[in-house]
Formats: sequence, C-alpha cells, structure tokens
Amino acid sequence: KAGVTQTPRYLIKTRGQQVTLSCSPISGHRSVSWYQQTPGQGLQFLFEYFSETQRNKGNFPGRFSGRQFSNSRSEMNVSTLELGDSALYLCASSLAPLGTNQPQHFGDGTRLSIL
Amino acid sequence: DAKTTQPPSMDCAEGRAANLPCNHSTISGNEYVYWYRQIHSQGPQYIIHGLKNNETNEMASLIITEDRKSSTLILPHATLRDTAVYYCIVRVVESNYQLIWGAGTKLIIKP
Repeated sequence: KAGVTQTPRYLIKTRGQQVTLSCSPISGHRSVSWYQQTPGQGLQFLFEYFSETQRNKGNFPGRFSGRQFSNSRSEMNVSTLELGDSALYLCASSLAPLGTNQPQHFGDGTRLSIL
Repeated sequence: DAKTTQPPSMDCAEGRAANLPCNHSTISGNEYVYWYRQIHSQGPQYIIHGLKNNETNEMASLIITEDRKSSTLILPHATLRDTAVYYCIVRVVESNYQLIWGAGTKLIIKP
C-alpha cells in the first residue's frame, strides 16, 4: 500500500511569491492534515480536511489556506511568502478525522526555502 | 503547549532494549497517548498508541501506568536504524484532538 505522497520534495521561492503544495493520502484515507515544522517551533498544526471540508485550524495567518478534492487529495497554498515561512511542510492522512483514535500517517514533506 | 515531558536525549547499545519514558501528568480520561519517531529528513513515522492498557505491535511495546500519568515506549532489540527523535504525544480534547508536539527524545543507538 503506497504511503502519503507529497510533491514537490523541495521548493525555492522568493519573498512575496505564492506557493502550492500537494498531498496524496493513503488510499482510503479521507482525513488530511497539514503541519509546519521548523527548528525553533517544532511541529505545528495548520489545518485538517475531511470530506472536502476544513474541520480544524491552527493559529496561522490567513495567508495559509488549503483545500481537499473529492478524491481526498489535498493542496496547501501560502500567499505573499515571508522569510519565516521557510520550513518543512508535512501532510498526514488518516482513515477518520481528528477526534477519533485513528493514527495519522505522514509523508516525507516539502522543504520550502524562501530567499 | 505540549502536555508531555520527555528527556531531550538518550543512548542505547545496539541489540539492547531501548526504554523511552514520557510524563503526561495532566492527561484526561479519554485522551490517547501516541508515539511517533522522525528520522532525519523524513516525515514522522507512527509507532504505537494506547489509552490505558499496554499495547504491543511489530515495532514496539507501550506500557502505560495505572494512573495514566506516564508511559514508556520499549524497542525490544534496538538497531542502528532506530536512531531518531521519538515523540510522545497526547491528543488533546480541548484543542479538538490536534496532536500537540513537544521537542521529543533524541535516541542514539551505539554499536
């Protein structure tokens, strides 16, 4: 069974640009969550989607947005990029939404560098 | 803030059992304990989770104390590939069951 797939693996952008990251969950998983990981802040929750609806949101500005498609694939968009957005962005999928005891399974992330 | 406390680092000899402790003294009755690990430049890997009973799978065992205030992850026969950062996480009811990640324990397996 294929794991969570994130594309691209690496991305370099400049300040002010926007970026879209993609995540394909494990087959059959309908919940997709996004996290930001930085050396200083560790792993921080961005948002969760289930059945194309955002169910949970972390404390990030509105520049961070996402969506989920009917096949459960998800995209995350960051607009007006700032230097501080440089991070590893991780996607995790699970069978059921947060609030159940289903574990999340992570992809290897997209490493975004802002110049 | 994370609801768990872990030692920042630990060493273990290859072939021995690695016992990683975690304190979660404020855990609520319906909050599960999850363990993940992250090897450098990879995403976190799910290991095991439990509520109050001890759990075992092909990767590890999870021992939760009767009062649920602490737990121990046991890797029975550590190999060099088990070198990673291990995260103990409580899925918090008040934050709508989000996983709140702490700094984890850097486990180094030595030959």
